[in-house]
Amino acid sequence: DAKTTQPTSMDCAEGRAANLPCNHSTISGNEYVYWYRQIHSQGPQYIIHGLKNNETNEMASLIITEDRKSSTLILPHATLRDTAVYYCIVRAPGYGQNFVFGPGTRLSVLP
Amino acid sequence: EPEVTQTPSHQVTQMGQEVILRCVPISNHLYFYWYRQILGQKVEFLVSFYNNEISEKSEIFDDQFSVERPDGSNFTLKIRSTKLEDSAMYFCARGGQGGLEQYFGPGTRLTVT
Repeated sequence: DAKTTQPTSMDCAEGRAANLPCNHSTISGNEYVYWYRQIHSQGPQYIIHGLKNNETNEMASLIITEDRKSSTLILPHATLRDTAVYYCIVRAPGYGQNFVFGPGTRLSVLP
Repeated sequence: EPEVTQTPSHQVTQMGQEVILRCVPISNHLYFYWYRQILGQKVEFLVSFYNNEISEKSEIFDDQFSVERPDGSNFTLKIRSTKLEDSAMYFCARGGQGGLEQYFGPGTRLTVT
């Protein structure tokens, strides 16, 4: 699986959009970009995934650059409960493929 | 889609003892995974399990670990002789539709004393 690079930490004001970047310059053509988050010691929570097109769901939006070498997760209106470690992972499809978690970005949403 | 549930939420055991951690799917799923997270460290893959067989396993998953689905529903991770360094959060996950996302349970905190 391709490696990803994320900032170690970020702050965001409550109510503002949180934009979390991720670089994955060695991504392969069949690899998806996934975002998970982990609040304290809870299980990783799936947020969103995409291949080429931008994606949006009830939690977040995922913007993938045209060359697919980087992406941005957008939390449109961050709340205190969004404080967590956010993981960007690239992974080929398939049930046998596990997720390789890096250190992620620690997002602190400030009141 | 719902995740899985895990029992117990916290297990304390003495070094050398056997422990069994359980993962309870909400509905019928075929693909399951175990991950662990030592305090302050990354989430690490242990093993994937499909149709009652191990599909993939990591270097961490050595002979003291085993997985099975004894009654066709619960999915278990057994550690035969626990060591201090086995203290960690253990997360079960199930495969999502199409082999894409995985959904994680809340975890079992294992403390080996």
